[in-house]
Amino acid sequence: DTAVSQTPKYLVTQMGNDKSIKCEQNLGHDTMYWYKQDSKKFLKIMFSYNNKELIINETVPNRFSPKSPDKAHLNLHINSLELGDSAVYFCASKGFMNTEAFFGQGTRLTVV
Amino acid sequence: QKEVEQNSGPLSVPEGAIASLNCTYSDRVSQSFFWYRQYSGKSPELIMSIYSNGDKEDGRFTAQLNKASQYVSLLIRDSQPSDSATYLCAVNWQNTGNQFYFGTGTSLTVIP
Repeated sequence: DTAVSQTPKYLVTQMGNDKSIKCEQNLGHDTMYWYKQDSKKFLKIMFSYNNKELIINETVPNRFSPKSPDKAHLNLHINSLELGDSAVYFCASKGFMNTEAFFGQGTRLTVV
Repeated sequence: QKEVEQNSGPLSVPEGAIASLNCTYSDRVSQSFFWYRQYSGKSPELIMSIYSNGDKEDGRFTAQLNKASQYVSLLIRDSQPSDSATYLCAVNWQNTGNQFYFGTGTSLTVIP
């Protein structure tokens, strides 16, 4: 039973399109994150939600809009996709106190 | 802006040697520290966590934390080719919304 699941695993789309990535966790965690991993493997935090409330927005363009309908879900919608958006996007969730973050399988987004 | 820095590598060691990975962080209020391993095309997976100053050992892995120097390291003894991966240091700042930031990652290659 997958703890953090995100879909789709691969996404190929043209510039200018709008796309969404979905994420769900069944761990009962209050905090969920979106990270972007570029070709140099740097995992850059984009957003952090705690119990459906936005906590962190790390200077991400307005074209990226997270949505958290409940604390088990954190979806990412991207408008007007650009070539530079090509990357692997990871969803993660974390409990409180000194606990680790658990990651989804990643979504490889390719903008052509 | 909180920062987590790692020696960028790549790092190559012969099989059986000790691999040493280093990480520094910018904020003294940091509370917990994690080392993740990421194989190519896969999600990050937790290797070790450490919260108190000193050493913590788990099999061939030893994490070392020095909060005064804002430094955390990971030693891999008896390195194996299967240890070849990218190693990511993560820092949790819990008092500011459970923030979970990663370092830039170090690519390790163990040469048979």
